[in-house]
Amino acid sequence: DIVLTQSPDSLAVALGERATINCKSSQSVLYNSNNKNYLAWYQQKSGQPPKLLIYWASTRESGVPDRFSGSGSGTDFTLTISSLQAEDVAVYYCQHYYGTPLTFGGGTKVEI
Amino acid sequence: QVRLQESGPGLVKPSGTLSLTCAVSGGSISSGNWWSWVRQTPEKALEWIGEIYHSGSTNYNPSLKSRVSISVDKSKNQFALKVTSVTAADTAIYYCARDIIRGGWFDSWGQGILVTVSS
Repeated sequence: DIVLTQSPDSLAVALGERATINCKSSQSVLYNSNNKNYLAWYQQKSGQPPKLLIYWASTRESGVPDRFSGSGSGTDFTLTISSLQAEDVAVYYCQHYYGTPLTFGGGTKVEI
Repeated sequence: QVRLQESGPGLVKPSGTLSLTCAVSGGSISSGNWWSWVRQTPEKALEWIGEIYHSGSTNYNPSLKSRVSISVDKSKNQFALKVTSVTAADTAIYYCARDIIRGGWFDSWGQGILVTVSS
């Protein structure tokens, strides 16, 4: 199984400042035939299901604010919140879909 | 916009069978998407259980495959999960979700249902 390791476990960021979350995969999730990275990011607020933010490592889901961006390739990925808003307080998860079983990272808690 | 809603017992006895249903509304379960079950432990870890296509084709997480079955009822626009021989380790919030592609990412989720395994 592919293991996704997120760091840090939690971080506190001032309003308006940048938040950076890392996700490292135990093996590459880059599919060479189409040059796509099979990685998604989710946001989960307290008491709610996860919400899709990013897929193909860097494609923002419709309706997601552009302060959220994804980057990286192969085994190392980053979710960046460029200017943290109060409503961004949540736990963030990465997930690979480079074959089954699909697995998730352990989550990163973002606080103000 | 598609909506998913889980239903089923919130309490299951050890060694019993956990049975949940996910009702899909606002879209057809035969739309071409795959449909998954994901659970979240009390420690907040997310675990993919398996997925199904409207044809009945399934993929399961090998860690659970011996105890899990997922089925689809196209007439009711819903799909279901069964987990047998449950233990306290199966206590979790169970979510149903829509896969955009087979074995892909999830763009729609149900609100989740807490299932506790306890006598």
